Amino acid sequence: KQEVTQIPAALSVPEGENLVLNCSFTDSAIYNLQWFRQDPGKGLTSLLLIQSSQREQTSGRLNASLDKSSGRSTLYIAASQPGDSATYLCAVSPSTDSWGKFQFGAGTQVVVTP
Amino acid sequence: DVKVTQSSRYLVKRTGEKVFLECVQDMDHENMFWYRQDPGLGLRLIYFSYDVKMKEKGDIPEGYSVSREKKERFSLILESASTNQTSMYLCASLPNLFSGNTIYFGEGSWLTVV
Repeated sequence: KQEVTQIPAALSVPEGENLVLNCSFTDSAIYNLQWFRQDPGKGLTSLLLIQSSQREQTSGRLNASLDKSSGRSTLYIAASQPGDSATYLCAVSPSTDSWGKFQFGAGTQVVVTP
Repeated sequence: DVKVTQSSRYLVKRTGEKVFLECVQDMDHENMFWYRQDPGLGLRLIYFSYDVKMKEKGDIPEGYSVSREKKERFSLILESASTNQTSMYLCASLPNLFSGNTIYFGEGSWLTVV
């Protein structure tokens, strides 16, 4: 059974520092990997999707990489801002027609201090 | 603007009560999902529905059932609530199960069973 792990569980950085969030998965036979953001007491917002054939994806200050062979993905957030404070979750999808039926990590809670 | 609405944000129920959690989406999506989120465990899939009156079990369906009589509405039912079902419940929807479509989450329903 696929297991998804996110380390660290919590992270606090001063404003302006770059953030590095890690996600690892035990079964490399994934189809896609998605990064989400969750604000306190709210639902999830999609951030970046990496297809299995891709090695990275970028949107603004966010960059996500994927290394299927080692079972790892990393989310980089450049020049962090207090508004980046949230919980970040990664989720993997096992096959082409199972999008939405994710296996989630427990998330990394990020605090960016002014 | 896309919308997944969970009408009950906070509920307190007694052990043994029947509980209904309602989710409505306004995007004409075929697929809807119920997840539960617990600290340290991330999100886990309870049930999903790929069409009206069609459903499939997720990873943790025990103690739950679902109903989808209309395309826009997906209900999660706890036939006899127990304290271990105290959790945050998140509904999500997708146009189809093929990769790359954005998945939309509701804001969550916090359920406490006493």
